[in-house]
Amino acid sequence: DTAVSQTPKYLVTQMGNDKSIKCEQNLGHDTMYWYKQDSKKFLKIMFSYNNKELIINETVPNRFSPKSPDKAHLNLHINSLELGDSAVYFCASSPGTRSYNEQFFGPGTRLTVL
Amino acid sequence: QKEVEQNSGPLSVPEGAIASLNCTYSDRVSQSFFWYRQYSGKSPELIMSIYSNGDKEDGRFTAQLNKASQYVSLLIRDSQPSDSATYLCAVPNQAGTALIFGKGTTLSVSS
Repeated sequence: DTAVSQTPKYLVTQMGNDKSIKCEQNLGHDTMYWYKQDSKKFLKIMFSYNNKELIINETVPNRFSPKSPDKAHLNLHINSLELGDSAVYFCASSPGTRSYNEQFFGPGTRLTVL
Repeated sequence: QKEVEQNSGPLSVPEGAIASLNCTYSDRVSQSFFWYRQYSGKSPELIMSIYSNGDKEDGRFTAQLNKASQYVSLLIRDSQPSDSATYLCAVPNQAGTALIFGKGTTLSVSS
């Protein structure tokens, strides 16, 4: 069984569109994350979220918004897509409310903005 | 803001050799350190975590931590072509709300 899953795996869209990426974890973890990996393979945190706290990396544009319908899901909604948003987006989860524990990553969503 | 530095490589070693991957970090209060492996086109997967000074061994992998020198390394013994990947060093940020990753070292093991 997949521990952390993401859909879609690939997403190709035009500039200016709005899109969402879904993430689900079946590990019973308390905290979920979104990371962005750019073309140079640099992996950078965008958000961390548990049922009490949303932490937003201050460098993330407000066009990006995480939405969590329940503890097992953390979706990423992106408004007004730009060319620079092209990247691979990874969802991750960890037990507890802090990131000192192991994080488990989903398979990634490759977003291409044309 | 914490920083995690790694030599991007590529690091090339012959099959059967020891590969040594290094990572330095800027924050002296860091307590947890992680090594992730990422194959091309795949997601990062945790291979080692270390919390105390010294060595931690798991199969062919050994993590070494020196907090005084703010240095953590990963040794891979008897390197195999299947070890060819990018290795990412990570530490929690100051608030403990996320991991800060280095840019990764690409390892190539030739048969």
